[in-house]
Amino acid sequence: GAVVSQHPSRVICKSGTSVKIECRSLDFQATTMFWYRQFPKKSLMLMATSNEGSKATYEQGVEKDKFLINHASLTLSTLTVTSAHPEDSSFYICSASQLAGGPNEQFFGPGTRLTVL
Amino acid sequence: DAKTTQPPSMDCAEGRAANLPCNHSTISGNEYVYWYRQIHSQGPQYIIHGLKNNETNEMASLIITEDRKSSTLILPHATLRDTAVYYCIVRGQGAQKLVFGQGTRLTINP
Repeated sequence: GAVVSQHPSRVICKSGTSVKIECRSLDFQATTMFWYRQFPKKSLMLMATSNEGSKATYEQGVEKDKFLINHASLTLSTLTVTSAHPEDSSFYICSASQLAGGPNEQFFGPGTRLTVL
Repeated sequence: DAKTTQPPSMDCAEGRAANLPCNHSTISGNEYVYWYRQIHSQGPQYIIHGLKNNETNEMASLIITEDRKSSTLILPHATLRDTAVYYCIVRGQGAQKLVFGQGTRLTINP
């Protein structure tokens, strides 16, 4: 299957700083990428959908000015957590899709664990 | 997208078949049933999907009832590495995003 990578796998930062997480599709071109957040023992919550070259679509309740998403190329999307606070500590997971509406085209990255002190 | 209901947890003995049920009574005609699993601290892994017919691949089998209101994921010979949270998701053909419910935490016991 297609491979999606995330970097870094773990990051610890101080409160008030910004953190950037990269999501890359390694062997295919991703027209759409998704960002999820997962708190301990909870399910994945979709944060936003990003299409290459256009603005991301955020889910209700997700602050777009706090979670900046850029999808500048067909193989790279970035999530920047701005002015991070301890409540932003979570497991962030991206996924990438080749074609819209296809049956099984969404592939997930390994996740990034963010800890804000 | 239609909502799904799964038992919160299940146990299965190693080497036995694990049967994970999912109810999706409000599924509509063009919606697929997807199964993903998430092993602890990893990203979700695609398992299988189906529309009407039963499906089988190298990982699992998917049995969908004739009225499509429920389905069962079958892991034929469960191993300890199959311990994970299993998510049943219903998604329309034209939709992109996957909406995850709470899933079933499957524990395979030696």
